Amino acid sequence: DAGVTQSPTHLIKTRGQQVTLRCSPKSGHDTVSWYQQALGQGPQFIFQYYEEEERQRGNFPDRFSGHQYPNYSSELNVNALLLGDSALYLCASSSMAEGSYEQYFGPGTRLTVT
Amino acid sequence: GQQVMQIPQYQHVQEGEDFTTYCNSSTTLSNIQWYKQRPGGHPVFLIQLVKSGEVKKQKRLTFQFGEAKKNSSLHITATQTTDVGTYFCAGRNYGQNFVFGPGTRLSVLP
Repeated sequence: DAGVTQSPTHLIKTRGQQVTLRCSPKSGHDTVSWYQQALGQGPQFIFQYYEEEERQRGNFPDRFSGHQYPNYSSELNVNALLLGDSALYLCASSSMAEGSYEQYFGPGTRLTVT
Repeated sequence: GQQVMQIPQYQHVQEGEDFTTYCNSSTTLSNIQWYKQRPGGHPVFLIQLVKSGEVKKQKRLTFQFGEAKKNSSLHITATQTTDVGTYFCAGRNYGQNFVFGPGTRLSVLP
């Protein structure tokens, strides 16, 4: 049973560029949440996708957008990258159908903006 | 908006000593979760509490949810070097997303 997978593992981008991060949820899960974790801090909620729609959104600008596909996989897009966007981006899957709210995190994508 | 705080920020213990981290929310929570993140790793789900005054145990770990559902604690008995990591609580208000605390970083000296 595959867990949550994310790609790429690491990424280096230049300020102003755009980036797309990808996530495949745990088998049987239908909900994907994205978090940003700066060094030494707790994960900050970006948004959550369920049934291919953004259901909840945290306090992040419109430069952050996402998508969920029919197979439940998800993408996080960040436009006009800023130095402050450098962080570990975590994807967490859960099952809305089960209503358990247990979140399983992927290994994350380490984004460095120079 | 909802805020979640944790104390202490850091804790250094000798192997075999006990450890406790506390989590406080600015609002009443519907449920609270605890995660452990090893250095260089990702958060790993430990447990979820939903009932007022609930106490759950996992081997040497004891989790409590306050009567008012605004605070929680994680207690580790007789720490081991494998307990090293950062412990996060994440609280959820009804219908809202989970808000993570800043974490408590535990180091265990052998």
